Amino acid sequence: EAGVVQSPRYKIIEKKQPVAFWCNPISGHNTLYWYRQNLGQGPELLIRYENEEAVDDSQLPKDRFSAERLKGVDSTLKIQPAELGDSAVYLCASSLHGNEQYFGPGTRLTVT
Amino acid sequence: GENVEQHPSTLSVQEGDSAVIKCTYSDSASNYFPWYKQELGKGPQLIIDIRSNVGEKKDQRIAVTLNKTAKHFSLHITETQPEDSAVYFCAATSYGGSQGNLIFGKGTKLSVKP
Repeated sequence: EAGVVQSPRYKIIEKKQPVAFWCNPISGHNTLYWYRQNLGQGPELLIRYENEEAVDDSQLPKDRFSAERLKGVDSTLKIQPAELGDSAVYLCASSLHGNEQYFGPGTRLTVT
Repeated sequence: GENVEQHPSTLSVQEGDSAVIKCTYSDSASNYFPWYKQELGKGPQLIIDIRSNVGEKKDQRIAVTLNKTAKHFSLHITETQPEDSAVYFCAATSYGGSQGNLIFGKGTKLSVKP
């Protein structure tokens, strides 16, 4: 069984530029999560989807971050414009009905 | 909301020794406590979890214990091997559905010396 797929694995951009991350969850998993992991810290939730509905986006900085999961399968997280403080690893995870979460490899974002 | 504290932040052991990582949580409603292992450049990997109706769970060389009264849980790794070297994260939440989100500790960097 394939795991959670994320792309790209690495991204370097200049501040004020836009960036997008893509995630494909484990087949059949209806719950999808986006996390941000700063260096030396644990992951912190940005947004959680149940199918195509965002059920918790309270930690998503909505002035510059957006996310979508149009068909309830894969998802895209966007930052526009990026700031220096957005440098981090962006992790996607999925689960079946909110149970055990399985993480993808992450996208390491560097904003210069 | 939930707050998870994890100790120690770094741990160095000799190969073959045991390693113990401890976490405390604040929300008495939390009932699900997973542990993740994260190797350099990879995403967190679920290695073991425990639910609040169980006091201890084992899987080969790893075990997790839970003390609901004291609100703390621990990861035990026996007969450590160099490949156990990684960052370990504990987490807590209300299990299942939309009841809650995983709150992670800050991680423990485990180094196993050959």
